[in-house]
Amino acid sequence: KQEVTQIPAALSVPEGENLVLNCSFTDSAIYNLQWFRQDPGKGLTSLLLIQSSQREQTSGRLNASLDKSSGRSTLYIAASQPGDSATYLCAGSGSARQLTFGSGTQLTVLP
Amino acid sequence: DAGVIQSPRHEVTEMGQEVTLRCKPISGHDYLFWYRQTMMRGLELLIYFNNNVPIDDSGMPEDRFSAKMPNASFSTLKIQPSEPRDSAVYFCASSRRKGQGREKLFFGSGTQLSVL
Repeated sequence: KQEVTQIPAALSVPEGENLVLNCSFTDSAIYNLQWFRQDPGKGLTSLLLIQSSQREQTSGRLNASLDKSSGRSTLYIAASQPGDSATYLCAGSGSARQLTFGSGTQLTVLP
Repeated sequence: DAGVIQSPRHEVTEMGQEVTLRCKPISGHDYLFWYRQTMMRGLELLIYFNNNVPIDDSGMPEDRFSAKMPNASFSTLKIQPSEPRDSAVYFCASSRRKGQGREKLFFGSGTQLSVL
């Protein structure tokens, strides 16, 4: 069964800083890995999806990488802004095609 | 597209009452998922459907929980009888099969359930 871990649980950075969020997973036979953003009281919004055949995906200031051999994914946020403050969750889809979520990293970007 | 639509947004009920949560997936999506989110356990998959057929309900915590998908545009999650420990945010999500791991998951806004 796929298990997903995210460290740290919370992160606070000053505006403008580049940052990296980490995600690790146990099942290397991963179908895809997705990064989501969740704002307080809201649902989850998909940010990036990396297929198992890919190593990274980029969208604007966001870049996500996938290393199946080490069981790790990272989400890089460039030039962070206060509007980036949210909880970021990664989710891995194993052989059963079901997404297993990490517990999230709560990001605060200070103006 | 309006996205995944869930109702109600908030539900407050008393222990022992029946609760029904509703979901309308994105048109054309053939997968529908029900998740539960709590502080203690995070996001947990309860059940998912493919083409209206339940595929895996191993995440449903007890027989008090049941889910149906009578057609491609509607699903319900029912709790009967409800208990205080069922208090959580329940999310519905849908996706469309594209193959090769390209299926993005789209979430509704969730139903905040409080069982007193």
